[in-house]
Amino acid sequence: DARVTQTPRHKVTEMGQEVTMRCQPILGHNTVFWYRQTMMQGLELLAYFRNRAPLDDSGMPKDRFSAEMPDATLATLKIQPSEPRDSAVYFCASGWGQYNEQFFGPGTRLTVL
Amino acid sequence: AQTVTQSQPEMSVQEAETVTLSCTYDTSENNYYLFWYKQPPSRQMILVIRQEAYKQQNATENRFSVNFQKAAKSFSLKISDSQLGDTAMYFCAFMKPGSQGNLIFGKGTKLSVKP
Repeated sequence: DARVTQTPRHKVTEMGQEVTMRCQPILGHNTVFWYRQTMMQGLELLAYFRNRAPLDDSGMPKDRFSAEMPDATLATLKIQPSEPRDSAVYFCASGWGQYNEQFFGPGTRLTVL
Repeated sequence: AQTVTQSQPEMSVQEAETVTLSCTYDTSENNYYLFWYKQPPSRQMILVIRQEAYKQQNATENRFSVNFQKAAKSFSLKISDSQLGDTAMYFCAFMKPGSQGNLIFGKGTKLSVKP
């Protein structure tokens, strides 16, 4: 049963600390997306990659967020330094091609104190 | 820029009854894709149904069907024979061809199915 995996599922940290979230896309998928979900803003696209190349990260605060795909089986989203306003659920999704279904991971719930 | 509006923050329905969730969108594009995603309390986002704008026939998936009104820019989801497991947040989403798969989501509708 192929699925997107994300680690950790929950993360509590203090303001100023570095946070790294990891995602393993479904094998064979060539597109990876990072979303952030909050009560106020809903679901927002932060960044996405195709064939490991970043296509768009305009939704991401550049000064503190960074996203990478070191290889086809791993995508990372890093926040440094973290702030309380970064508290949210972060989802990774993967898909194949431009118009096909995006499969979502279970999300990482981040709390920054 | 495209926007997606879900005007019903919360809805409830009795088990076995039918419920319709509303979604409207704003775009100047002629070709695009529309989706309904379900997010149960587990947080997992699950695709319920998709519709290509160039297809006039409304999409159906078992108990789920859509009413796609292109001229009105409306894309409602009908759930027939509601089940307790349908309790979830439902998100309407829009995708423009050439956007590299960028989904634009509505704010969601919280559906509660009551026994």
